[in-house]
Amino acid sequence: AQKVTQAQTEISVVEKEDVTLDCVYETRDTTYYLFWYKQPPSGELVFLIRRNSFDEQNEISGRYSWNFQKSTSSFNFTITASQVVDSAVYFCALMNSGGYQKVTFGIGTKLQVIP
Amino acid sequence: DARVTQTPRHKVTEMGQEVTMRCQPILGHNTVFWYRQTMMQGLELLAYFRNRAPLDDSGMPKDRFSAEMPDATLATLKIQPSEPRDSAVYFCASGLRSSGSTDTQYFGPGTRLTVL
Repeated sequence: AQKVTQAQTEISVVEKEDVTLDCVYETRDTTYYLFWYKQPPSGELVFLIRRNSFDEQNEISGRYSWNFQKSTSSFNFTITASQVVDSAVYFCALMNSGGYQKVTFGIGTKLQVIP
Repeated sequence: DARVTQTPRHKVTEMGQEVTMRCQPILGHNTVFWYRQTMMQGLELLAYFRNRAPLDDSGMPKDRFSAEMPDATLATLKIQPSEPRDSAVYFCASGLRSSGSTDTQYFGPGTRLTVL
């Protein structure tokens, strides 16, 4: 069975602070995919990143960076110099690689960036 | 900028009424997913289609929910009869699944359903 744990339900930071959102996953598959989605107050789910299990290179995109560590089954997301527009709920998700690629979502972390 | 579209964006109805939600996947995508989001349960997968064929609808209450893809450009989710506990945001997502690769799901804006 697959499981995604986002232990932080809510985080508040002051603008310009760095913040890391944790994601820990469980799977028996050797090949799998990890995702982060952002859900701003407007409600839509916005795809941020996809990572393959065989590629442990960290990725940076502007103020966003992702740290994938297979040894600890973690896929953490860091926002550097946070901005008010970063306020949203962030979901981590796991997809298996089989014929039926079911996605398991975490419960989400609500990030509030205070001006 | 290709996007998944969903209609209606908001729906308020009375218990017992039929509700139909529509989704237009991104052109060229061959997988469609329906999710329901509530505060209590988070994101739940209701149905999954690939090449218009339903592969998994185990998450749907079978007695009242039905999902179809009349053609490649339209997916529907129907609730009949609706109940107050169906109040939620319903998301449609689409992706491109091909041999040897996996798809990323791109979500629509959601339909916020309120059943009184």
